[in-house]
Amino acid sequence: SQTIHQWPATLVQPVGSPLSLECTVEGTSNPNLYWYRQAAGRGLQLLFYSVGIGQISSEVPQNLSASRPQDRQFILSSKKLLLSDSGFYLCAHRGAGENSPLHFGNGTRLTVT
Amino acid sequence: RKEVEQDPGPFNVPEGATVAFNCTYSNSASQSFFWYRQDCRKEPKLLMSVYSSGNEDGRFTAQLNRASQYISLLIRDSKLSDSATYLCVVNWGGFKTIFGAGTRLFVKA
Repeated sequence: SQTIHQWPATLVQPVGSPLSLECTVEGTSNPNLYWYRQAAGRGLQLLFYSVGIGQISSEVPQNLSASRPQDRQFILSSKKLLLSDSGFYLCAHRGAGENSPLHFGNGTRLTVT
Repeated sequence: RKEVEQDPGPFNVPEGATVAFNCTYSNSASQSFFWYRQDCRKEPKLLMSVYSSGNEDGRFTAQLNRASQYISLLIRDSKLSDSATYLCVVNWGGFKTIFGAGTRLFVKA
């Protein structure tokens, strides 16, 4: 079965510091991978998705970036965090077929102070 | 108009009650539909897929009306453990999946 790992679970970072969140998937090859963010009390906002190594689509312009250096690895980064970057960051992969549902990792709760 | 719109609630219901949630979506070309459940401070988890013919999973029934661009979820015999936020999810195809902001449900003893 497919398993998705995210770390760390929680993170407290000062404004202006860099960020790197990692997500890996097991049990599948060439997965479609996604980064979502959920601000407190809000819905999920799609940030990036990737259909393969080195292929990144950005949905919302902001100070975040994503990379996919390996087939089952998806990284979310920032060079300088803003207070507004605080939120719950969720990595997801899609099951077989583009109309399949998404399955999420446990998420990283980021607080920018 | 929001891409996926839900009543945020909260819905406060007693145990054993039947409760229904609705959702509308704006993109008529949407291809697949789901309900997710999200517990407080946890990741969303797939509850069920939604089909035009309607589908049932135990106490949960989902229905899709493509003509009206409307999705529903019915929960019968509510349990305390059903308390959560329910997310309506629409897949546009081409890898884009849009989440509604969610409907909060509180089931009380």
